Amino acid sequence: GENVEQHPSTLSVQEGDSAVIKCTYSDSASNYFPWYKQELGKRPQLIIDIRSNVGEKKDQRIAVTLNKTAKHFSLHITETQPEDSAVYFCAAPSGYSTLTFGKGTMLLVSP
Amino acid sequence: DVKVTQSSRYLVKRTGEKVFLECVQDMDHENMFWYRQDPGLGLRLIYFSYDVKMKEKGDIPEGYSVSREKKERFSLILESASTNQTSMYLCASTMEQGGQNEQFFGPGTRLTVL
Repeated sequence: GENVEQHPSTLSVQEGDSAVIKCTYSDSASNYFPWYKQELGKRPQLIIDIRSNVGEKKDQRIAVTLNKTAKHFSLHITETQPEDSAVYFCAAPSGYSTLTFGKGTMLLVSP
Repeated sequence: DVKVTQSSRYLVKRTGEKVFLECVQDMDHENMFWYRQDPGLGLRLIYFSYDVKMKEKGDIPEGYSVSREKKERFSLILESASTNQTSMYLCASTMEQGGQNEQFFGPGTRLTVL
């Protein structure tokens, strides 16, 4: 099955700084890479995803990059704000039916 | 909006009790999932179902069973609860190909087994 490694486990930044979270995966056939955000006490929600036919995708202050050769993908958040504070999970497919999630990164943005 | 609901936000049970956690989705989704969330371990898949009465084991099925008698409802059963099953349990659903599309999560049930 798929193995997803996520780093760092915690990340503290000052408001306005950029934050980068990295994930690696093991199955070279994987072709869909979502990122979920879980605010404290709330459910995980999809914030951005990328499919293997593109190398980068942006949505306002967040972007995801994919390097299929190296089997890693990253979440980039620019101009961080306190409301970006949350746990972020990357994931990769285990076949067509399920996702394997990384262990999560707790991002803390200090004002 | 897709809505996934879970029967309880908080639950306290005693060791050896049979525990039922229920999940309901209102968007006619084919696939439903049960995850367990523990600090530092992320989201781990317990069981999933791709159709009524169909079920597949996930990564950590030991000590759990599931039931899907209706398309909108997916139940997680702890036959004899143990303290190491104290955790946050999250249900999710997706229209098709759960490894290729957005999964919609319920609010979670925090289960404490004493």
